[in-house]
Amino acid sequence: DTAVSQTPKYLVTQMGNDKSIKCEQNLGHDTMYWYKQDSKKFLKIMFSYNNKELIINETVPNRFSPKSPDKAHLNLHINSLELGDSAVYFCASSQGQGFYEKLFFGSGTQLSVL
Amino acid sequence: TQLLEQSPQFLSIQEGENLTVYCNSSSVFSSLQWYRQEPGEGPVLLVTVVTGGEVKKLKRLTFQFGDARKDSSLHITAAQPGDTGLYLCAGVWGGNKLVFGAGTILRVKS
Repeated sequence: DTAVSQTPKYLVTQMGNDKSIKCEQNLGHDTMYWYKQDSKKFLKIMFSYNNKELIINETVPNRFSPKSPDKAHLNLHINSLELGDSAVYFCASSQGQGFYEKLFFGSGTQLSVL
Repeated sequence: TQLLEQSPQFLSIQEGENLTVYCNSSSVFSSLQWYRQEPGEGPVLLVTVVTGGEVKKLKRLTFQFGDARKDSSLHITAAQPGDTGLYLCAGVWGGNKLVFGAGTILRVKS
């Protein structure tokens, strides 16, 4: 059983389209995250939810909207996709949000905007 | 400017060689983590160092946290092709955000 699973693995789309990435964790964790990894492999946090409540919202364009229907799911919807949105998006989860939390990552969604 | 600077950015070595990668910051961190990421996969946690001066060993990997808790190093002894990957250090910033360095890409040739 995959602990953190995200779909799709690959997403190729045209500029201006709207797309969603889904994430589910079966670890019973309370906190879920979205990270963006750019072409230089730099991982940057976008959002964090704890028990369905938004706790971290970095400087991300409001075209990006996370939604957490329950604590096991955190989806990411992106409106009006732009070329610069091309990246690998990782979902992750952790038991809590403390200093020593171990993050479990999904295998990523490679988004290519043409 | 990144909070965590990693060096070197790229490292290509022969199987059997030793190597060290570094993670440095001008800020103090309560703990630092090291992750390894393989192509097409997400990062996987290797270790968390918490106490200044702490040394942790994981088989051929040795992790050290600086006395001032501003830096950390990862030393690999007798590297193997299976060690190939992206090594990332990460620390908690602002109370609840795990921030990452830009990583070191390691390639071990057989």
